[in-house]
Amino acid sequence: EAGVAQSPRYKIIEKRQSVAFWCNPISGHATLYWYQQILGQGPKLLIQFQNNGVVDDSQLPKDRFSAERLKGVDSTLKIQPAKLEDSAVYLCASSLGYGGTPRILGYTFGSGTRLTVV
Amino acid sequence: GQQLNQSPQSMFIQEGEDVSMNCTSSSIFNTWLWYKQDPGEGPVLLIALYKAGELTSNGRLTAQFGITRKDSFLNISASIPSDVGIYFCAGQPTRNSGGSNYKLTFGKGTLLTVNP
Repeated sequence: EAGVAQSPRYKIIEKRQSVAFWCNPISGHATLYWYQQILGQGPKLLIQFQNNGVVDDSQLPKDRFSAERLKGVDSTLKIQPAKLEDSAVYLCASSLGYGGTPRILGYTFGSGTRLTVV
Repeated sequence: GQQLNQSPQSMFIQEGEDVSMNCTSSSIFNTWLWYKQDPGEGPVLLIALYKAGELTSNGRLTAQFGITRKDSFLNISASIPSDVGIYFCAGQPTRNSGGSNYKLTFGKGTLLTVNP
């Protein structure tokens, strides 16, 4: 079974530039998550989709971050304009659904995109 | 919001030694999870715990769900070089905590280094 695909693996941009990350979840997974992992920290949930609808975006800095999952499959996370503090690994995860435990839902993380803002 | 305190922050051990790390929370969790993250990869689930007092093993790994539901620990016995990585605890809140959608809260991780 293919895992969660993310691209690019690495990105270096200057502050105030824009950047976009792409995620393709495991086939059949209705729920998709974007996490931000700052160096030395655990992952922090930014946004959660159920199919093409947003379930939780309470920790998404909406003045500069946006995300979409238009067809309920793959997703894009955008940062515009980027700040130095946005340097982090952006992890995508997917699961069969939500409202249950990760093992039962097949909750799986991708390898992430490492963003460096200079 | 909920916070998890994970300790120690890092450990440097010799191959063959046992390792213990723990996680405490200011609030109750319904589920405790332990993940491992290798460099350049996403976290991978090692063990899931579903009820207070539960003790679960996965090979050389053993984890326990604290009786108070506010803590958990992970033990690794007879460590080997491939155990190197960052170990994260994560908790899922109780179902009645404000419609939280079973959101995972992660600790800051324990960096484990194993010297061959």
